[in-house]
Amino acid sequence: QVQLVQSGAEVKKPGSSVNVSCKASGVSGGSFSRFTINWVRQAPGQGLEWVGRIIPILDIPNYTQKFQGRVTITADKSTSTAYMELSGLTSDDTAIYYCARLYRTAFDIWGQGTMVTVSS
Amino acid sequence: EVVLTQSPGTLSLSPGERATLSCRASQSIKSTYLAWYQQKPGQAPRLLIYAASIRATGIPDRFSGSGSGTEFTLTISRLEPEDFAVYSCQQYDYSPWTFGQGTKVEFK
Repeated sequence: QVQLVQSGAEVKKPGSSVNVSCKASGVSGGSFSRFTINWVRQAPGQGLEWVGRIIPILDIPNYTQKFQGRVTITADKSTSTAYMELSGLTSDDTAIYYCARLYRTAFDIWGQGTMVTVSS
Repeated sequence: EVVLTQSPGTLSLSPGERATLSCRASQSIKSTYLAWYQQKPGQAPRLLIYAASIRATGIPDRFSGSGSGTEFTLTISRLEPEDFAVYSCQQYDYSPWTFGQGTKVEFK
């Protein structure tokens, strides 16, 4: 059974960067490579917002325009882990960050979420 | 970007009642690329419906989806206590993929 397990909560200062990991378990490295891993965030009391995605076998990320230049999504096929780095943090980046696998045309498996708090 | 507007914002119902949730897109999207999620406090979203009307694995048949073009609907035929949650629609037709703001189904 495929699971996505994310790294723990982070507290960051404004202007700094955060790196969140998402490790797939119950899957071979070859299978992970063919996943499309998406990153979605949810600010407190708000809706869901897509950040970007990567297909490890292609190693080509896509980002929503809003985060261009501040976000970097990568994947390590050898460890079945995806990463999202967000730089230039402000208080508006305080949110839960989720990774999620694309299945056909929807996100069928989600990580447990990583709370990122930006505070001075 | 495609804006998804969900209505109502909050639905107050009792167990056993029928829930009808709406998702309206700012432009026409292919039914193949419309999904619904359920989210409970402190939990990640859970996929309920994809391709507008196909239930995801393990989803009870009291959940159904319908619609096309710009109008989509999620129906819960008879609410069970565990169904009180927030429901969000999502489109995967046009980048950036977007979500609705959610409909909260609460106890009346």
